Amino acid sequence: GAVVSQHPSRVICKSGTSVKIECRSLDFQATTMFWYRQFPKKSLMLMATSNEGSKATYEQGVEKDKFLINHASLTLSTLTVTSAHPEDSSFYICSAGVSSAYNEQFFGPGTRLTVL
Amino acid sequence: RKEVEQDPGPFNVPEGATVAFNCTYSNSASQSFFWYRQDCRKEPKLLMSVYSSGNEDGRFTAQLNRASQYISLLIRDSKLSDSATYLCVVNDNNDMRFGAGTRLTVKP
Repeated sequence: GAVVSQHPSRVICKSGTSVKIECRSLDFQATTMFWYRQFPKKSLMLMATSNEGSKATYEQGVEKDKFLINHASLTLSTLTVTSAHPEDSSFYICSAGVSSAYNEQFFGPGTRLTVL
Repeated sequence: RKEVEQDPGPFNVPEGATVAFNCTYSNSASQSFFWYRQDCRKEPKLLMSVYSSGNEDGRFTAQLNRASQYISLLIRDSKLSDSATYLCVVNDNNDMRFGAGTRLTVKP
């Protein structure tokens, strides 16, 4: 299957700092990548859809100035959590869509963010 | 009504048991369907795509019923390693809709 990497896997930061998370498709090109967050024992919540070369599409209730997304190439999308606060602590997962008859998505290993 | 609904469980079954999960979806125009498996504190991993005719992969069988708008996953001869959360996922025009997941624990 398609491989998606995510970096870093874990980050602990102080309140007020910004954190950048990278998502890469390793063996395929992804025109569309997706960013999710997941709280403990909850399902994935789509934050935004990232399109290569254009602005991301954010879901309702997700602050675009808070969660900056850049999709500079067909293999890399980044999510920057700006001025992080403790309530931003969560598990952030990216996925990349594979163009096929079924349009599967493959997920990165996730980034666990803890804001102190 | 939620777009994708699953019984959250938990399902606690002994090794070797057969267990089935159902999932219903609200959009009759949904195009593709998947079961993902998620282990604790890990990312979801694709278990199976669900084809219109139903499909089987070893101990796992997936079925789709478009008329009733539900999909199912059957696990036969369950193993301890099958313990995980199983996510039902529906693709609506490239928007992936996730169920809340069904927690399975297989016990010795």
